[in-house]
Amino acid sequence: GAVVSQHPSWVICKSGTSVKIECRSLDFQATTMFWYRQFPKQSLMLMATSNEGSKATYEQGVEKDKFLINHASLTLSTLTVTSAHPEDSSFYICSAYPTRTRGDAGANVLTFGAGSRLTVL
Amino acid sequence: AQSVTQLDSHVSVSEGTPVLLRCNYSSSYSPSLFWYVQHPNKGLQLLLKYTSAATLVKGINGFEAEFKKSETSFHLTKPSAHMSDAAEYFCVVSRSGGYQKVTFGTGTKLQVIP
Repeated sequence: GAVVSQHPSWVICKSGTSVKIECRSLDFQATTMFWYRQFPKQSLMLMATSNEGSKATYEQGVEKDKFLINHASLTLSTLTVTSAHPEDSSFYICSAYPTRTRGDAGANVLTFGAGSRLTVL
Repeated sequence: AQSVTQLDSHVSVSEGTPVLLRCNYSSSYSPSLFWYVQHPNKGLQLLLKYTSAATLVKGINGFEAEFKKSETSFHLTKPSAHMSDAAEYFCVVSRSGGYQKVTFGTGTKLQVIP
């Protein structure tokens, strides 16, 4: 079935540095990917919609210059947390809709990566 | 517009007893509904989905859910809980058709007591 891979799964960085998280669609192409943020014991909040070859669409309240999203190919979207601070520590999850899979098993079903745990010291 | 309400933030059941996780939705259009499970520090795994076909949907690991339009509900059930079912469960709604933005419920943490 369709798989979304995220890397790294864990990252610790110093305050003021930038961190890049990758989201890859395996065995399928994804023109659109979604980035979520999850605080401890809370639900997922959509941060932005990543569009291949164009600018990302950010949800209200999400800082575009803080969370840089690049969707340079049909299988890769990246989220860069710039000048990270402790309050940026969170679990970041990406997702995508498989657009080409074998059969119909994955159609119209959002597939999630395993998430990336960011800790900013 | 769409929203989903998970009525219980925590549910505790004994191993071997039935599980009921409640979800109510609101949608201005024909919805698609999903249940996802998340184990600690893991991504989300799809349990089952409703996309305007049969109203009783069977998913993985013995879970099932029934779409009730009159009650705007999509409750998740399982006849007999296993220890491995302990996790966070999310009810999710989106507009039917195509690749739509989804809305998450706040989640229900299921505890299974041995």
